[in-house]
Amino acid sequence: KQEVTQIPAALSVPEGENLVLNCSFTDSAIYNLQWFRQDPGKGLTSLLLIQSSQREQTSGRLNASLDKSSGRSTLYIAASQPGDSATYLCAVRGNAGGTSYGKLTFGQGTILTVHP
Amino acid sequence: EAQVTQNPRYLITVTGKKLTVTCSQNMNHEYMSWYRQDPGLGLRQIYYSMNVEVTDKGDVPEGYKVSRKEKRNFPLILESPSPNQTSLYFCASSRNRDRVGNEQFFGPGTRLTVL
Repeated sequence: KQEVTQIPAALSVPEGENLVLNCSFTDSAIYNLQWFRQDPGKGLTSLLLIQSSQREQTSGRLNASLDKSSGRSTLYIAASQPGDSATYLCAVRGNAGGTSYGKLTFGQGTILTVHP
Repeated sequence: EAQVTQNPRYLITVTGKKLTVTCSQNMNHEYMSWYRQDPGLGLRQIYYSMNVEVTDKGDVPEGYKVSRKEKRNFPLILESPSPNQTSLYFCASSRNRDRVGNEQFFGPGTRLTVL
């Protein structure tokens, strides 16, 4: 059974810092990995999706990397801002061609606070 | 506007009273899924559907039913709700595996309380 772990559980940084959020998964047979942002009381917003054949994806100040063989992904946020404060979740989707394809497994999330 | 909608957004009910939470998407997505989010347990998948008339269990399907009669709709049915089903529920959709750009799009959530 796939298990996804996110470290740290919470992170507080001053504005302007570059930071890294970590996600690890136990079964490397994944189809893709997706990073989400969730604001309090709200739904999830997709940030970046990395297919299993890719190594990284970038969007603005965000960069996500994937090392499938070691079961790890990182989300790098450059020049953090107070508006980045939210919970960040990673999720892996089971491998195509198997019964696990439809399954999406989430980590517990990292609560990020960026203070001015 | 591309979106996933859920109704109701908030619901308080009593044990044993059947209820349905609706989910609809306007992006012609093949894949749809239901999740529940609980403090300390994170997001867990209840059921998913790869296409019309194709559904399968996620990690926590007990006490729930789903149906996929149309591509755009994927209702979640609680035949006999119990207090342990008090949770925040999310519906999501995406394209299927044969296409690129298959990000999951999430609805706004339904907060359910079962007394």
